[in-house]
Amino acid sequence: DIQLTQSPSFLSASVGDRVTITCRASQGISSYLAWYQQKPGKAPKVLIYAASTLQSGVPSRFSGSESGTEFTLTISSLQPEDFATYYCLQLNTYLPMTFGQGTRLDIK
Amino acid sequence: QLQVQESGPGLVKPSETLSLTCTVSGGSITSNTYYWGWFRQPPGKGLEWIGSIYYSGNTYYNPSLKSRVTISIDTSKNQFSLKLSSVTAADTSVYYCARLRIYDISGSYPDYWGQGTLVTVSS
Repeated sequence: DIQLTQSPSFLSASVGDRVTITCRASQGISSYLAWYQQKPGKAPKVLIYAASTLQSGVPSRFSGSESGTEFTLTISSLQPEDFATYYCLQLNTYLPMTFGQGTRLDIK
Repeated sequence: QLQVQESGPGLVKPSETLSLTCTVSGGSITSNTYYWGWFRQPPGKGLEWIGSIYYSGNTYYNPSLKSRVTISIDTSKNQFSLKLSSVTAADTSVYYCARLRIYDISGSYPDYWGQGTLVTVSS
């Protein structure tokens, strides 16, 4: 099975900061990766799919990129509502869908 | 506006079968551009995919749960269902149903989620 390893697991940042979260796949998954944001007690919300495509309605401060088996979520300027837990997800329909372990983003 | 809503017992006894239903409103479950899936999240932990189903009945399961999971679809009721057998305390989780949008020949992603329902396994 494909493993997704996120780093860091915890991140402390301030409003206005630029932050980057990384997700490394154990083998090639092409661009079949999405990023989700989850707040306590709520369902996950999709931010990015196909590694770099912004979901409709998601602010443009969120962006995704890929290099080989390493994928990156970048928030260009943190807003108060961005403090949450972020997950990556492998999307290839013909492989088991797997999540990264999550990155918790806290206010510094 | 599409909505998906989980329903079912919040408490299941060990060794019994957990059964949940997801009702889809504001859209058709027979659309050929979506799968329908189940996910779960143990309290305080990460997310896990359980399985997905297409309107035709084709199913895809997490290999770690495959021997215990059955996902079915009832197009006449616009619903799909999850059964997880032989549950233990480790199956205590918030269970989510979701729509998965098919965006290319091999890719789909959950774009609409239910609010989630906590199922506790306890005697």
